[in-house]
Amino acid sequence: SYELTQPPSVSVSPGQTARITCSGDKLGNQYVCWYQQKPGQSPVVVIYENSKRPSGIPERFSGSNSGNTATLTISGTQAIDEADYYCQTWDSRSPYVFGTGTKVTVL
Amino acid sequence: EVQLVESGGGLVQPGRSLRLSCAASGFTFDDYAMHWVRQAPGKGLEWVSGISWNSGSKGYADSVKDRFTISRDNAKDSLYLQVHILRPEDTAFYFCVKDSTSLHYGPGNANPPIYFDSWGQGTLVTVSS
Repeated sequence: SYELTQPPSVSVSPGQTARITCSGDKLGNQYVCWYQQKPGQSPVVVIYENSKRPSGIPERFSGSNSGNTATLTISGTQAIDEADYYCQTWDSRSPYVFGTGTKVTVL
Repeated sequence: EVQLVESGGGLVQPGRSLRLSCAASGFTFDDYAMHWVRQAPGKGLEWVSGISWNSGSKGYADSVKDRFTISRDNAKDSLYLQVHILRPEDTAFYFCVKDSTSLHYGPGNANPPIYFDSWGQGTLVTVSS
């Protein structure tokens, strides 16, 4: 099977930059997307194809992917960005696999 | 506006069966692949199953293979998940999810750019005696 590993939690002060990593074997050779899930709500895609933002997603969300690690960056983090974040990729061993998830806390 | 409304969840005893349904609206249903994703209470997301626009390609997570069956009725804009031999570890919210493309990618594909662009609110399945 193929696994994507994320840190369980990330803390950030308002206005600062939050970086959430997603690690997997040769992940840089694959496309990665990111979802935001707020408590009691369904997930929403915030980044697709490594670095593209869907319409309606603020510019403070950006993504990158290289080597074994993909990164979701939230610049100028706001209180409304407090949520769980999941990465996802497709691998022949584990199609449509999700990462373990990261809880972002804005202190 | 895309709407995905799941139904069919509930409390069920171990070993029993259930059929989950998803009513889709706000988009051309038969243009898109669809999926089921589940989330145990307080836990992470797990892809369960997917189906291509024309039902020609289907896939399942190893944890549900041979117990769950995905299907769709494009005439009714509906997605289904037949679940058999339920186990306590199947307890979760089951989300109906719209793919961004028409294709479901199985083994043999090479790193497709996948993502899910719309999610339902989920239906809770609780497996307990």
